[in-house]
Amino acid sequence: EVQLVETGGGLIQPGGSLRLSCAASGFTVSSNYMSWVRQAPGKGLEWVSVIYSGGSTYYADSVKGRFTISRDNSKNTLYLQMNSLRAEDTAVYYCVRGGGIDWGQGTLVTVSS
Amino acid sequence: DIQMTQSPSSLSASVGDRVTITCQASQDISNYLNWYQQKPGKAPKLLIYDASNLETGVPSRFSGSGSGTDFTFTISSLQPEDIATYYCQQYDNLPRTFGQGTKVEIK
Repeated sequence: EVQLVETGGGLIQPGGSLRLSCAASGFTVSSNYMSWVRQAPGKGLEWVSVIYSGGSTYYADSVKGRFTISRDNSKNTLYLQMNSLRAEDTAVYYCVRGGGIDWGQGTLVTVSS
Repeated sequence: DIQMTQSPSSLSASVGDRVTITCQASQDISNYLNWYQQKPGKAPKLLIYDASNLETGVPSRFSGSGSGTDFTFTISSLQPEDIATYYCQQYDNLPRTFGQGTKVEIK
């Protein structure tokens, strides 16, 4: 059974950094393309970033230069390093396998002073 | 970026009604379109992929159609458990943009 478990969310001050993790089971992260999608409170879904099996990465313009997606194949885990956080980054962050077939439960990031 | 315009933003229908949601892409995306269902406090669930293919285990009352720029999502007979917000998402190009969502309620 495929499972995705995100951790690492929390309350962080503007300008701070946070690293989200997504531990995967039931499949191999490095053999799939993996994405992060976020949802601000009461708002719609926003695609954030993707990492392909070959290692290529892409980002939404809203996070480019501040966020970095990566994976640790030995831990079968996906990461999102978030730097220079802003209030508008406040959202539930989901990790997603492939074309959207599997989603984690999400982790809430709140950027506030 | 490809803009996805979804309508309506909300609707209210009776149990058993046929419900239709549309999604229009700002450019041709072939059939590279997903439809998701999201219930409050839960992650989205993939219902339809490639515009018209039903994901395994999804009830047959859900369907999708369209190609190019115009797409339709239909619930043939609305059930109480279908109360949710529905999103379209294109995956023809990066960034993989979503529609604004349609909140479906029971009248």
